[in-house]
Amino acid sequence: AQRVTQPEKLLSVFKGAPVELKCNYSYSGSPELFWYVQYSRQRLQLLLRHISRESIKGFTADLNKGETSFHLKKPFAQEEDSAMYYCAHYNYGQNFVFGPGTRLSVLP
Amino acid sequence: DTGVSQNPRHKITKRGQNVTFRCDPISEHNRLYWYRQTLGQGPEFLTYFQNEAQLEKSRLLSDRFSAERPKGSFSTLEIQRTEQGDSAMYLCASSFGQGGSDEQYFGPGTRLTVT
Repeated sequence: AQRVTQPEKLLSVFKGAPVELKCNYSYSGSPELFWYVQYSRQRLQLLLRHISRESIKGFTADLNKGETSFHLKKPFAQEEDSAMYYCAHYNYGQNFVFGPGTRLSVLP
Repeated sequence: DTGVSQNPRHKITKRGQNVTFRCDPISEHNRLYWYRQTLGQGPEFLTYFQNEAQLEKSRLLSDRFSAERPKGSFSTLEIQRTEQGDSAMYLCASSFGQGGSDEQYFGPGTRLTVT
């Protein structure tokens, strides 16, 4: 069964510091990877996907097939980045598998 | 269009009772998904529809769970003979397109508590 792991349940950083949220997946094919975010009292929403290769709100994520990782990075964290972040994997015929999530807390 | 809506937002029921949840997707979206989320976990896929056809069900979905999407519009998720382990947030999401990896738009969820 495919799995998505996010080793950190909680990550605290100071405003302006770099942040990296880790995500590893178990699949040997051609996966599609996503990051979804849930801000306080808001719905789960898409942040970015690897096929778009775009930067959203200053966040980027690179798919590393060798390490089966899709870590989310931002060079300078902002307080408004505090949220719950979920890494998700999609494989045709298997549907979406979400990781357990990492709560990012950006301290002033 | 205010996005995906779900009703009720909260449901408290006694063990053994049946419950039904409703999801109204974004109007032009052809795909509709149901997920379950328990504390400390990410959303867990339950089932999805493309238009009115239910194309996939999770192996974790017991026979007590059934979902419908008549006419390819709103969807209902029914849980029969609820158990305390069914207590969770039930999320609905919708998307538009032919690919399963299209962006999903989530509803606010229905929180079920089984006492």
